[in-house]
Amino acid sequence: DIHMTQSPSTLSASAGDRVNISCRASQSVGTWLAWYQQKPGKAPKLLIYKASTLQSGVPSRFSGSGSGTEFTLTIDSLQPDDFATYFCQQYDSNPYVFGQGTKLAIK
Amino acid sequence: EVQMVESGGGLVQPGGSLRLSCEGSGFTFGSYSMHWVRQAPGKGLEWLSCISSSVSYIYYADSVKGRFTISRDNAKNSLYLQMNSLRVEDTALYYCARGGAPRPDYYMDVWGKGTTVTVSS
Repeated sequence: DIHMTQSPSTLSASAGDRVNISCRASQSVGTWLAWYQQKPGKAPKLLIYKASTLQSGVPSRFSGSGSGTEFTLTIDSLQPDDFATYFCQQYDSNPYVFGQGTKLAIK
Repeated sequence: EVQMVESGGGLVQPGGSLRLSCEGSGFTFGSYSMHWVRQAPGKGLEWLSCISSSVSYIYYADSVKGRFTISRDNAKNSLYLQMNSLRVEDTALYYCARGGAPRPDYYMDVWGKGTTVTVSS
């Protein structure tokens, strides 16, 4: 089974900052990787799929990059609404596991 | 509006059974794969199971294989998760999510709000 590791687990930043969240797969998943945002008490929301394709309606300050085993979610100019937990997920092969999550907190 | 609504959660004793349901609306339910994902209190997301649009493919996580059964009724726009031999560690918020395509190996583009399952004596 593929294992997904995100780093860091927690990230403190300020509004206006640019942040990067990393996701590493234990074996290549090509570009079959998605990023989700989850706010407390809410369901996850799809942000990016196929490693770098922005889901409709998601602000352009979000971007994704990478392929194979190394992926990055970048958020430019953090907004107050962006403080949440972010999960990566591979959908290259069953089981379609998630990373453990990265909590983005206000500094 | 595209949405899914889960139901069927509740309190059950260890070893018991529960059947979760998820009704989709606002889209052609039978054209999409569907997934179940859970989240234990204060923890991350755990993918559990998926079923392709035509039921040709069904997959399970090892943690639930042999205990949980996923099914769907496209005529009723509904997804199900039969959960047997429940354990305390199955306590979680259970989400259904729509896969972005008929086949199972796809991202999840629409999520329900979840239904809570508590396994306790």
